[in-house]
Amino acid sequence: GAGVSQTPSNKVTEKGKYVELRCDPISGHTALYWYRQSLGQGPEFLIYFQGTGAADDSGLPNDRFFAVRPEGSVSTLKIQRTERGDSAVYLCASSFQGTSTDTQYFGPGTRLTVL
Amino acid sequence: GENVEQHPSTLSVQEGDSAVIKCTYSDSASNYFPWYKQELGKRPQLIIDIRSNVGEKKDQRIAVTLNKTAKHFSLHITETQPEDSAVYFCAPNTGGFKTIFGAGTRLFVKA
Repeated sequence: GAGVSQTPSNKVTEKGKYVELRCDPISGHTALYWYRQSLGQGPEFLIYFQGTGAADDSGLPNDRFFAVRPEGSVSTLKIQRTERGDSAVYLCASSFQGTSTDTQYFGPGTRLTVL
Repeated sequence: GENVEQHPSTLSVQEGDSAVIKCTYSDSASNYFPWYKQELGKRPQLIIDIRSNVGEKKDQRIAVTLNKTAKHFSLHITETQPEDSAVYFCAPNTGGFKTIFGAGTRLFVKA
């Protein structure tokens, strides 16, 4: 079946603009994760959804970042007033049940560049 | 907070040799220990994982060993091939659902 997909694959924006990044998880997966990966570093946890609710958003760096998953499937990561430091690859992952020992399957990522 | 460290940060081996990467973690509640491989410009892909009820797991040329007492687990790759060249990340879970990735180990396999 289809894997995790993310759109757009690349996004270039100007400082101060608003962006939305979309993630389509594997069908039937109840858990969804967002990560941010800067060049040369490991993925950094941002937020975890179990169904429609954000079970852990402790990784969101500040209140400019927000994520939703209104129907328990597709998720959107929203970044307001973007800053150059937000430039990174944003990765989404999903897992079947969302237990802490579930395998996570990653999408290809969205490369965000803030000029 | 949780702390995850990987060593070495870079590893260069000759084709056919073995490679070992070690990951130490701080959260005693961690019970899931995966290793991911990430090629340049690609997504992380799970290559092997272990849960805390076992000490070792093998899958062909790849193995993972776990020492819960000492809070570390290691990735072992035998008979390395040039296509094993990539960045490898350990990513133990925490007591909750957060996953903390290590900083990565860049493996170079020279033909």
